[in-house]
Amino acid sequence: QVQLQESGPGLVEPSQTLSLTCTVSGGSISSGGYYWSWIRQHPGKGLEWIGYTHNSGSTDNNPSLRSRVTISADTSKNHFSLKLSSVTAADTAFYYCARAYCSGGSCYRFAFDVWGQGTMVTVSS
Amino acid sequence: QSVLTQPPSVSGAPGQRVTISCTGSSSNIGAGYEVHWYQQLPGTAPKLLIYGSRNRPSGVPDRFSASKSGTSASLAITGLQAEDEADYYCQSFDTSLSGVFGGGTKLTVL
Repeated sequence: QVQLQESGPGLVEPSQTLSLTCTVSGGSISSGGYYWSWIRQHPGKGLEWIGYTHNSGSTDNNPSLRSRVTISADTSKNHFSLKLSSVTAADTAFYYCARAYCSGGSCYRFAFDVWGQGTMVTVSS
Repeated sequence: QSVLTQPPSVSGAPGQRVTISCTGSSSNIGAGYEVHWYQQLPGTAPKLLIYGSRNRPSGVPDRFSASKSGTSASLAITGLQAEDEADYYCQSFDTSLSGVFGGGTKLTVL
């Protein structure tokens, strides 16, 4: 059974780059044609999709964050990463990594069936 | 302001049926894109309830069902239970915004 675990600093200074890693266990990140996403949730607020990477190498990001977001995968380490540059207090949120659901040869890019437990990132000096 | 509009809250008594709407537009639900639904219990990661507008992943009770019509979708929960008290989110694809979530609906079991 695939499990995801986020890791990274819980505190980032304004204007710096937020870097998080999602380690995949119980399966290979490079198999199955899955989409691997980052999603965040501001305290007490709703969910916001950040972006995904696919094992084909394709990526897509939320247009509102696109200029600041880089999502990449490292198949040798079986993890994928999020980098969000020039952070401000508005980027303070709970960050989740998630895997999109695939069934019967079809993958639903935005139907996330496996989630990490999430990690809180605070942007503050 | 999300492009997918959900009611902020709904409520129902145990055993009752409740529905949660998700209203989009011609650039997302109305364009034929699939809708997915999530349940988020307090302090936990969201759980996929419905994928592909009407399909339940293995393990999700058949008390949960969903449909889509035009620019809207809805999630129905029958036989309401106390454990269903949670936040519910819809999600779809938007031609301009890519992956978008609804603002979420808090379900209270009276």
